[in-house]
Amino acid sequence: DAKTTQPTSMDCAEGRAANLPCNHSTISGNEYVYWYRQIHSQGPQYIIHGLKNNETNEMASLIITEDRKSSTLILPHATLRDTAVYYCIVRSSGSARQLTFGSGTQLTVLP
Amino acid sequence: ETGVTQSPTHLIKTRGQQVTLRCSSQSGHNTVSWYQQALGQGPQFIFQYYREEENGRGNFPPRFSGLQFPNYSSELNVNALELDDSALYLCASSPGLAGAKMNEQFFGPGTRLTVL
Repeated sequence: DAKTTQPTSMDCAEGRAANLPCNHSTISGNEYVYWYRQIHSQGPQYIIHGLKNNETNEMASLIITEDRKSSTLILPHATLRDTAVYYCIVRSSGSARQLTFGSGTQLTVLP
Repeated sequence: ETGVTQSPTHLIKTRGQQVTLRCSSQSGHNTVSWYQQALGQGPQFIFQYYREEENGRGNFPPRFSGLQFPNYSSELNVNALELDDSALYLCASSPGLAGAKMNEQFFGPGTRLTVL
């Protein structure tokens, strides 16, 4: 699975959009981009995934660049409850067995 | 629909002891994965079970073992506990092995193990 690079930490004002970047320059054609988040002392929570088209669900939007070497997770109206560690993971849709978590980005939403 | 549950929530053991952690997968999910998360780090894959068979293993020694039962619930056993085994142990279930949607792993709240 391709390696990802994320900033260690970010702050965002409550009510504003939070844009979390992820670099995955070695991604291959059959690999998807997944985002999970982990609120303190809880299990990780699936947010969204995509291959090459932008995706949106009730939690967030995922923007993937045309060359697929980077992506951005967007939380359109961040709340204090969105404070968490956000993990960007790249993996194939085949029989890959595990999620490979990096260090993630600590997002702190400020009142 | 019941989510992934784990028991116990917290556990304290001493070095050299053995521990068993339990996980009930989400309804309809036949695949269970276990992860270890040390403080301040991302989760690390231990192993995965699919239809009662081990289906992949991370870089963990044989004293970490597991089982999956016909109802797809699972156990993680750790023998000869070491201080470094202190961590949050997470269980995740998913509806299958392949396909992008199958990678949507659903995590339980974890078991916090402390080894003294």
